[in-house]
Amino acid sequence: QKEVEQDPGPLSVPEGAIVSLNCTYSNSAFQYFMWYRQYSRKGPELLMYTYSSGNKEDGRFTAQVDKSSKYISLFIRDSQPSDSATYLCAMRLIKAAGNKLTFGGGTRVLVKP
Amino acid sequence: SQTIHQWPATLVQPVGSPLSLECTVEGTSNPNLYWYRQAAGRGLQLLFYSIGIGQISSEVPQNLSASRPQDRQFILSSKKLLLSDSGFYLCAWSVQSFGTSNQPQHFGDGTRLSIL
Repeated sequence: QKEVEQDPGPLSVPEGAIVSLNCTYSNSAFQYFMWYRQYSRKGPELLMYTYSSGNKEDGRFTAQVDKSSKYISLFIRDSQPSDSATYLCAMRLIKAAGNKLTFGGGTRVLVKP
Repeated sequence: SQTIHQWPATLVQPVGSPLSLECTVEGTSNPNLYWYRQAAGRGLQLLFYSIGIGQISSEVPQNLSASRPQDRQFILSSKKLLLSDSGFYLCAWSVQSFGTSNQPQHFGDGTRLSIL
């Protein structure tokens, strides 16, 4: 079993819909949680990061962490075709050597005009 | 602001040839540096990371090696490439942090390596 699980998709939604992405993890020691967006043939771009449990909002993006369920989510409101990309979750131990991250496999999202 | 450069963007190499990929970071000092490989449609596999000049930690035993000859320069090398070395290679950096400070990683745009 992988430490971080993410549905590979593709997740296809119409423009304007809410995109809902999630990751589950097995190591309860993870404390930092991140979401990256990766366009085709580009490097991942940091979207949001949170510490421990709770919600964080930034524009159209909302990140949620539920540590009791070992589950994190990313919501994209009013989705646009430009949101079509692969979304990777990542997480980190509080004292990870070298700040190493553990990544999910990514979910491919397609927003159709 | 900080920037990260990787080159080349695309590389086609024959089996058995050597490899050298370079990554440099600007606008920060003493960063942590990372090399990842991403197979098609898959997640990121950490290959090496470095917390300082000459300090390299290997995550996966393989045909590759890494070096950090200068503070903001990270090099990925191979003496003889295998077909299985094909993939998308990404360099990343983060600010060094200790204890409870979160310092996310920031990525370059990668090198797409094809072995023929």
